[in-house]
Amino acid sequence: DAGITQSPRHKVTETGTPVTLRCHQTENHRYMYWYRQDPGHGLRLIHYSYGVKDTDKGEVSDGYSVSRSKTEDFLLTLESATSSQTSVYFCAISDSIVGNEQFFGPGTRLTVL
Amino acid sequence: DAKTTQPPSMDCAEGRAANLPCNHSTISGNEYVYWYRQIHSQGPQYIIHGLKNNETNEMASLIITEDRKSSTLILPHATLRDTAVYYCIVRFSTGGGNKLTFGTGTQLKVEL
Repeated sequence: DAGITQSPRHKVTETGTPVTLRCHQTENHRYMYWYRQDPGHGLRLIHYSYGVKDTDKGEVSDGYSVSRSKTEDFLLTLESATSSQTSVYFCAISDSIVGNEQFFGPGTRLTVL
Repeated sequence: DAKTTQPPSMDCAEGRAANLPCNHSTISGNEYVYWYRQIHSQGPQYIIHGLKNNETNEMASLIITEDRKSSTLILPHATLRDTAVYYCIVRFSTGGGNKLTFGTGTQLKVEL
């Protein structure tokens, strides 16, 4: 399995507080992605990165920011968490050299009260 | 990226072949067909992909029709552990950040 870890795996927080989720990879893959998954919606792309300090928005980026200062780490920040951001968040990585297979992390379950 | 249509659910007996269809009638000539699956609460797992030729790997076979408007993922001998949501995705092989657009997929239930 690809070396992807997410932290924390579970988090409960209150509305209005900042939250940062971390994705860490040991595969040296170029691309990293953050998705959220909600019942009835499948996975939806929040932000992605195509290199250090190079990021772009996905289809549901409002309320989220990202940063990638090192190849191995991709951070997702909720500046002021809202109840609508309660979800399961998945990180993924891919390397365009070997194809478009994306390898997913185990997920982070976030609950905003 | 072309949109896909999949049945919301399917059942299969253990040991039998599971054939999961996907319609992608608006696919363009340089778009690939990808299949992923997601076992309950886990991150999605890549299964297979193809352009126009049939493909086979240790997990599954992918059959793409000649006009490329539809495809079928075949799990030759389904087991209980194959119970999962299966996603069919079409996209270009490179560019655009390799983004994948997941639909709601097919919930496959493998039963004894």
